[in-house]
Amino acid sequence: QKEVEQNSGPLSVPEGAIASLNCTYSDRGSQSFFWYRQYSGKSPELIMFIYSNGDKEDGRFTAQLNKASQYVSLLIRDSQPSDSATYLCAVESAGKSTFGDGTTLTVKP
Amino acid sequence: DADVTQTPRNRITKTGKRIMLECSQTKGHDRMYWYRQDPGLGLRLIYYSFDVKDINKGEISDGYSVSRQAQAKFSLSLESAIPNQTALYFCATSDLDRNTGELFFGEGSRLTVL
Repeated sequence: QKEVEQNSGPLSVPEGAIASLNCTYSDRGSQSFFWYRQYSGKSPELIMFIYSNGDKEDGRFTAQLNKASQYVSLLIRDSQPSDSATYLCAVESAGKSTFGDGTTLTVKP
Repeated sequence: DADVTQTPRNRITKTGKRIMLECSQTKGHDRMYWYRQDPGLGLRLIYYSFDVKDINKGEISDGYSVSRQAQAKFSLSLESAIPNQTALYFCATSDLDRNTGELFFGEGSRLTVL
């Protein structure tokens, strides 16, 4: 079992729709949870981070964390073509981040 | 200028050659990391360093070595490159003082081993 697993892609949604990205992790000692966006050929950039159970909203993005279920998700509302990218879930423990394999999202105009 | 700079950005080499990838940062962060990315496999941790005297192996350290020459510099070496080390390599930093765990990435070094 991989330490961090993301829902398999690719994921395609129409412009304006909600995109839902999911991630599960195995290390119950994990402290911090991150979503990075990576455009093709570019370096990852942070979209959201969350530490506590519940929801965290930032503009069109909402991160959800459920430590009991070892589950973290990212919702993108009003998806735009510019949101088309690979989204990487990362889980941090003891100063190290472990990444999932990523989910590629395509937003179609 | 980028806060985390990697050199070279692209390198093609032959099997058996020694290769060094360099990373320097102006962010003043203590923690530095080297990750490898293969298509469809996300990022995997090779080595990490929490300060100049601290070096730790990640999940895929075999065939690699590192040197932390200063707080700002962290180099990755492939002593004898092999084709399955062809990948995109990222250096990253994080801020111990803020302790958010957020990683700041360099632009990547694409290595091809023939």
